[in-house]
Amino acid sequence: GAVVSQHPSWVICKSGTSVKIECRSLDFQATTMFWYRQFPKQSLMLMATSNEGSKATYEQGVEKDKFLINHASLTLSTLTVTSAHPEDSSFYICSAWRTGMGSPLHFGNGTRLTVT
Amino acid sequence: GQNIDQPTEMTATEGAIVQINCTYQTSGFNGLFWYQQHAGEAPTFLSYNVLDGLEEKGRFSSFLSRSKGYSYLLLKELQMKDSASYLCAVATGGGNKLTFGTGTQLKVEL
Repeated sequence: GAVVSQHPSWVICKSGTSVKIECRSLDFQATTMFWYRQFPKQSLMLMATSNEGSKATYEQGVEKDKFLINHASLTLSTLTVTSAHPEDSSFYICSAWRTGMGSPLHFGNGTRLTVT
Repeated sequence: GQNIDQPTEMTATEGAIVQINCTYQTSGFNGLFWYQQHAGEAPTFLSYNVLDGLEEKGRFSSFLSRSKGYSYLLLKELQMKDSASYLCAVATGGGNKLTFGTGTQLKVEL
């Protein structure tokens, strides 16, 4: 079946540094990928929609200059958390649809980011 | 805006049946999804409804009423491993953006 791979699974970084998270669709092409963030005991909140070959679409309240998204190919989207702060510590999950209505949204395994 | 509501917590007994409700008010509707999520893990797909009615899949069933903006997930023959968070999500827009509800934390007890 379709698989979405996310890397790294967890990362610890110091405050002020940047962290890049990769999301790959392994056996299908994804023109659109989605990035979610989940704080403990809360639901998934959509951060942005990553569009291959064009600019990402950010949800209200998400800083586009802080959360840089690049979707350079049909199988890869990256999220870079720039100048990370402890409040950015969260579970980041990417997802992608296979083409065709009704196919489930496939999720990566998520990245646990801890900023110290 | 999008508004999706679920109960925060539910408790049920092993072997029993539990129904988790979800109500939604969204701009557009392309389908409703249910996901299961264990702590620290990514969500896993359970079911999808786009037309009114009941979809059955083994121990899990999901129901949709578009006119009422209502869905439920029915879990039968509960097992301890079913203890997890259950997320209701609605797809909208041309890009099928998925908006999640707050999630229902289900605890299965002996």
